Parts: sequence; structure tokens; C-alpha cells
Amino acid sequence: DAGVTQSPTHLIKTRGQQVTLRCSPKSGHDTVSWYQQALGQGPQFIFQYYEEEERQRGNFPDRFSGHQFPNYSSELNVNALLLGDSALYLCASSHRDTTNYGYTFGSGTRLTVV
Amino acid sequence: DQQVKQNSPSLSVQEGRISILNCDYTNSMFDYFLWYKKYPAEGPTFLISISSIKDKNEDGRFTVFLNKSAKHLSLHIVPSQPGDSAVYFCAASAGNNNDMRFGAGTRLTVKP
Repeated sequence: DAGVTQSPTHLIKTRGQQVTLRCSPKSGHDTVSWYQQALGQGPQFIFQYYEEEERQRGNFPDRFSGHQFPNYSSELNVNALLLGDSALYLCASSHRDTTNYGYTFGSGTRLTVV
Repeated sequence: DQQVKQNSPSLSVQEGRISILNCDYTNSMFDYFLWYKKYPAEGPTFLISISSIKDKNEDGRFTVFLNKSAKHLSLHIVPSQPGDSAVYFCAASAGNNNDMRFGAGTRLTVKP
């Protein structure tokens, strides 16, 4: 049973560029949450998607946007990249009827902005 | 705004002894608390949780204690094993399936 799949695993971008990260949820899951983990810190909630709509959002600027597709996969887009956007981006999937205990995290995408 | 704090960035214990990891929170609306374990190059994996209606939850070698009045929770691992060496994150949320707030993590090293 495949868990959460994220792509790419690593990438390097230049300041000002735009980036798209992808996430395929665990089979049977319909909700996707995105987290940013900066070096030495815990994951910070970016937003959550369910039924192709953004349901919750953390304290992140509008440069961070997302999308969920009918097959429940999701994308995270970041525009006008800043050096401070360098981090590990984690995707977590769950089912709408489960509690937080049911979150499954992917291994993340390591983004480096130079 | 650090609503969940893990003040010990690292902890080292001997194999077979108890590991105690601590976590403090400030938001009184939090009612679900979780511990995640993270190995290098992997995503966090759920370890154990507790809701605010309880003060203790046990699962094998892992026990989580919640002190609501002090807004403090702790994770006890007994006995500690070298395979427990990882980064442990404390997380909290207000309600089910709502966004979780994570602490900065504690790196546990269990020495053989």
C-alpha cells in the first residue's frame, strides 16, 4: 500500500522564480495538508485541501497557493521565491472522517532558494 | 508565535533507561496532543496521542502524560532502545482534523 508520495525530492531555484511541488495522498485518503519545515524548527501548517477547496490556512502569504485535483492529489505553488522559503515541504494526507491521528506524512521536498 | 514549545533540543540516554521528552503549550483551545517521530530523510510518523479528557495514554513502551493546568505534556519511553534514536515532535490541535501546531523537536539519542 503506497503511502504519501512527494515530488521532486530536491530542487534548487533562484530568488524570484516560481515553484510547484506535488503530492499524491495515501490510498483511501481524501484530504491533503501542506507543512513547511525550516531548518531546526518544527513543521508549520500552510494549508489544507479537501474536496478540491482550501479548507484551512496557516499564517503564510498569498505567494503560497495550492490546488487539489479530483483524484485527491495536490500541488503547492510558491511565487516570487525568497531565500527564506528554503525549507523542507511536507505533505500529509488523511481521511475527512479521521482525527489528526490518521495523518500520514510524505518524506518531503527539500527546496533550496539561491 | 510559538504555541507549542519543546525547550530541549537534544536528549541523550543509555539503552534500557527511561527517556522523558517534554512539551509545553500556550493555547488553551488545544484539545488533541500528539507525538511524532522523524528519522532522517523520512516524513514524521505518528507515535502516540492523547485527548484533553485524559491525563495518560499508554502504548507499549510509550506513555504520554498530560497536565492541563500546567499546559504541559511529556512522553516517556521505557525502556529506551537504540532504534528510538530520532527527532521527536510534539503537536497540538484544537479539534479533530484541524491544523496541528508543532514544536521545534527534540533529538533523542539512545546509546548502546
